[in-house]
Parts: sequence; C-alpha cells; structure tokens
Amino acid sequence: QVHLQESGPGLVKPSETLSLICAVSGVSVSDYYWNWIRQSAGKGPEWVGYMHSSGSASYNPSLKSRVTISIDTSKNEVSLTLTSVTAADTGVYFCARPRRSYGFDAFDIWGQGTVVTVSS
Amino acid sequence: EIVMTQSPATLSVSPGETATLSCRASQTVSVNLAWYQQKPGQAPRLLIYGISHRPTGIPARFSGWGSGTEFTLTISSVQPEDFAVYYCHQYTGWPPETFGQGTKLEIK
Repeated sequence: QVHLQESGPGLVKPSETLSLICAVSGVSVSDYYWNWIRQSAGKGPEWVGYMHSSGSASYNPSLKSRVTISIDTSKNEVSLTLTSVTAADTGVYFCARPRRSYGFDAFDIWGQGTVVTVSS
Repeated sequence: EIVMTQSPATLSVSPGETATLSCRASQTVSVNLAWYQQKPGQAPRLLIYGISHRPTGIPARFSGWGSGTEFTLTISSVQPEDFAVYYCHQYTGWPPETFGQGTKLEIK
C-alpha cells in the first residue's frame, strides 16, 4: 500500500526559505512523477510542480523562480524548497502521485498534508 | 494558463436527490479532466479521471461526462457522506495544471 507523509517546520518567517519533506512508502520514488500541491484556506488547490528521478521537472510559472523539487532515491523521499516566502505562501502543502507512472494523469494518492504558516 | 471555472459555488440538495456540478475550462483539455471530493481537514480524494472513469472503490452514483471545455459531475441519490467540496482538475501537461475553485455540496 502506497503511503505519503509530509513533514515540515509549520511556522516560517517572511523572506525565509520553506523546506518540506514527503516520505514515500510502498513504492519507489524512481517510478513516478512526484507532485507538490498547496491549498490556502477556503481556496481550490494550486499545483506547485513535479519532479521525476530522471531529472525531468516542471513548476508553476507563478512560483518558478522560487521553487525547487528534488528527489532522494536513497531515502525514498521528495522534497520541496520555496524561497523568499510571504504570507501568500501560507496554506496546506500536499505531496501527490499520479495514477500512472508515465505522462500526465489525475492524482490518486495524496499525503495528509502539512500546514505551513508564514508569520513573524 | 487554463482557467477552470466551477458552478455553482454552493449547491443545496436533500439526501436522495441528484446533484449536478459543472466545470468549464477556458480552452480544451481533451480527456484530461478529473474530479475530487474534499472533506474538512482531509486531502482531496479522486472520484473521476479521464472525464468519466471511476477508480476502484468509488461508488457508481458518481458519474462524469462532457467534452472539450464543458464537464459535469453527477451524484445520483446523494448520501449523507457526500456533503463536501468538489473540485475539477485539468492535467493536460501544459503547465500549470489547474484546479477549479470548488463547489460546496450542502444539505438542504
């Protein structure tokens, strides 16, 4: 059974860097494109980006200059780094896996999410 | 960016009735359209992918249809556990992937 578990600091100061980890179990991180999705209170989800272990990556243009997703195959983890955060980056951050290991697809596996608050 | 617009924002139905939720894309998304259900404090749950396909374990009362830019999620005989927020999502691969703003299904 595939399980995703996000973790992170919870509270980040404005202008600092946010770093989150998604621990993956039940499947190898080498086999899929791994996505981060975030959601502000009362809003629809916002796709942040994806990374594949081959090095293929894509990011939301609205965040592209600040975001990096990386994969650690030795730990079977996916990480998200977001620099120069502001209050607009506050929300719940989810990692998610698409249905198929190739191409683009709907997300059938989600972590439970981790809450991030940007505040001084 | 492909903008996904859902309507209505809130839909009030009584248990046992049929709920019809709409999603419009600002340009064609081909068959790359999914629907999710989200309850408070939970991650979204995939209900429909490829416009009309249900993953294993999703009840048959959930059905999706449409084409091009207009899509519909129908919930037949709404059950108490169906009251939640529903999102559509396009995954054409042309970044960014985008979601609608959601339709809240509430008890009438």
